Amino acid sequence: KQEVTQIPAALSVPEGENLVLNCSFTDSAIYNLQWFRQDPGKGLTSLLLIQSSQREQTSGRLNASLDKSSGRSTLYIAASQPGDSATYLCAPSNPGYQKVTFGTGTKLQVIP
Amino acid sequence: DGGITQSPKYLFRKEGQNVTLSCEQNLNHDAMYWYRQDPGQGLRLIYYSQIVNDFQKGDIAEGYSVSREKKESFPLTVTSAQKNPTAFYLCASSTGTSAYYEQYFGPGTRLTVT
Repeated sequence: KQEVTQIPAALSVPEGENLVLNCSFTDSAIYNLQWFRQDPGKGLTSLLLIQSSQREQTSGRLNASLDKSSGRSTLYIAASQPGDSATYLCAPSNPGYQKVTFGTGTKLQVIP
Repeated sequence: DGGITQSPKYLFRKEGQNVTLSCEQNLNHDAMYWYRQDPGQGLRLIYYSQIVNDFQKGDIAEGYSVSREKKESFPLTVTSAQKNPTAFYLCASSTGTSAYYEQYFGPGTRLTVT
């Protein structure tokens, strides 16, 4: 059974700081890994999807890396802004349509 | 605009009543999913459907039922058998291919049962 851990559970940083969110997973036989953002009381918004054959993906100020063999992914946010405040979740997918496992997320607060 | 809609946003019910949550998508996606989110826990899969007229139980299907009569629609019924139904419910869809799929989520329905 896939288990996903996200550390830290919460993070507070001043505006402008670069930061890294961590995701680790126990079953490395993944198809891909998706990073999501969730604002309070809202649905999830997809940020980046990394295929198992890729090492990283970039979108604007976001960069996600994947080390499948060690069961780790990181989400790097450059020059953080107050609008980045949200909970960030990672979700690796394993063979079979139902096998997407979500972490409990890292709650990020960017202080102006 | 393509996307997933869920209604209502907030739902209040008395204990013992069944309630149906709506989920509609116009992304032409094959697969649809229902998740439950509770504070401090990751999303847990309730049911999923890969094609019309077919659906499978997820990890926590007890007390829930679904139907998939149209590709665009995947309603979830929370029955009186669900022991702790108060939660945030999220519907998602994906293209459904095995080599690549990306999940897209609706805005969620918060159900409160008293």
